[in-house]
Amino acid sequence: EGQLVESGGGLVQPGRSLRLSCVGSGFIFGDYAMHWVRQPPGKGPEWVSAITWNGDSVAYADAVQGRFTISRDDAKNSFYLQMHSLRVEDTALYYCATHQQTSGGFDLWGQGTWVTVSS
Amino acid sequence: DIQMTQSPSSLSASVGDRVTITCQASQDISDYLNWYQQKPGKAPKLLIYDASNLVTGVPSRFSGSGSGTHFTFTISSLQPEDIATYYCQQYDQLPRGFTFGPGTKVDIK
Repeated sequence: EGQLVESGGGLVQPGRSLRLSCVGSGFIFGDYAMHWVRQPPGKGPEWVSAITWNGDSVAYADAVQGRFTISRDDAKNSFYLQMHSLRVEDTALYYCATHQQTSGGFDLWGQGTWVTVSS
Repeated sequence: DIQMTQSPSSLSASVGDRVTITCQASQDISDYLNWYQQKPGKAPKLLIYDASNLVTGVPSRFSGSGSGTHFTFTISSLQPEDIATYYCQQYDQLPRGFTFGPGTKVDIK
């Protein structure tokens, strides 16, 4: 059974940077596109970013375009979200997720890591 | 960007009731539509993929239908363990993105 584990969250001031990591295990990490999905407190999930299985294509939500960068290191079974110019509205539980048995339904999620942006 | 709407935003029903949630896309998304259940403190759980396919292991009282812009999610007989928030989600090929609906909170009357 596959597993995803996020790390790197924390409390950060507006305008600062943070890097999230997600490590996969129990499956062939390099075969799958990987995604970041966030959920602000008391709100619904919001897709943030994705990277294809081979890293050739990336995508971002409009809200983070130009501030966040997604990358992957298949040798470490890991992918990352580099977040710059953080805003209060970026405060959320950040999940990594992937779709293994479906074309676009997230069937494997991590437990999430909290990012709090506050002065 | 594709926008997703859901209705109702919340509902209260009795155990055994049939519950229906609708999801509408702002443009044709074919059947690229998934449904999730989320309970407090947990990650969303995929129930239905590609509009009408039940994920293995998910009870058969859950079902989905629709295509294009209008989709329906049904719980045929509401159970106490179904208390949760339900989200629809559309997807597209990268670099186009994915979008979640705003959610429907389901309670027991």
